[in-house]
Amino acid sequence: SAVISQKPSRDICQRGTSLTIQCQVDSQVTMMFWYRQQPGQSLTLIATANQGSEATYESGFVIDKFPISRPNLTFSTLTVSNMSPEDSSIYLCSVEGQTTYEQYFGPGTRLTVT
Amino acid sequence: GEDVEQSLFLSVREGDSSVINCTYTDSSSTYLYWYKQEPGAGLQLLTYIFSNMDMKQDQRLTVLLNKKDKHLSLRIADTQTGDSAIYFCAEKGGGSYIPTFGRGTSLIVHP
Repeated sequence: SAVISQKPSRDICQRGTSLTIQCQVDSQVTMMFWYRQQPGQSLTLIATANQGSEATYESGFVIDKFPISRPNLTFSTLTVSNMSPEDSSIYLCSVEGQTTYEQYFGPGTRLTVT
Repeated sequence: GEDVEQSLFLSVREGDSSVINCTYTDSSSTYLYWYKQEPGAGLQLLTYIFSNMDMKQDQRLTVLLNKKDKHLSLRIADTQTGDSAIYFCAEKGGGSYIPTFGRGTSLIVHP
């Protein structure tokens, strides 16, 4: 399995500001994913981040709003830009394990925008 | 698109068995998963099953797959208060590396 940590674990931010969330994995992984989980909802994939290439965004998510970095095989960041209260969610980092059927999640970052 | 459905709530008495059900629509699903999310935490991979299997057992957990009906279930034997959490069903396959998640079933265990 992979051990994933995220920083910060939670934050309260003001409207119009930006927050960068960090994701660190204890092993090298090819594919990293960023999800959003709104209150009472399932997980929605924001983007897939592969090292050495631009992130691939899902429908409804754009790079200007959610820029992603993937500088190496163990680390990624997601920035939530120009935040509004609608961005209040849990943001989860996820990685594919050594086999394609294994997928692991970080503990999440609970974001509240006021 | 693909869809994964789960009931939203399940309440059981401590010591009883819990059965959480899930249905999916993608007939090409290859892997099916159960995740557990405790309050304030991320998702923990509980177990997974390949689509060519009917059953998988791991200690108190039993996963049953009816591929014909596209029905997946998770049975928790001797349910404890520590099992109270949200359980997500997910499937992956059809050439996609991205799993599709259900909305989660909130399991409440009462004394």
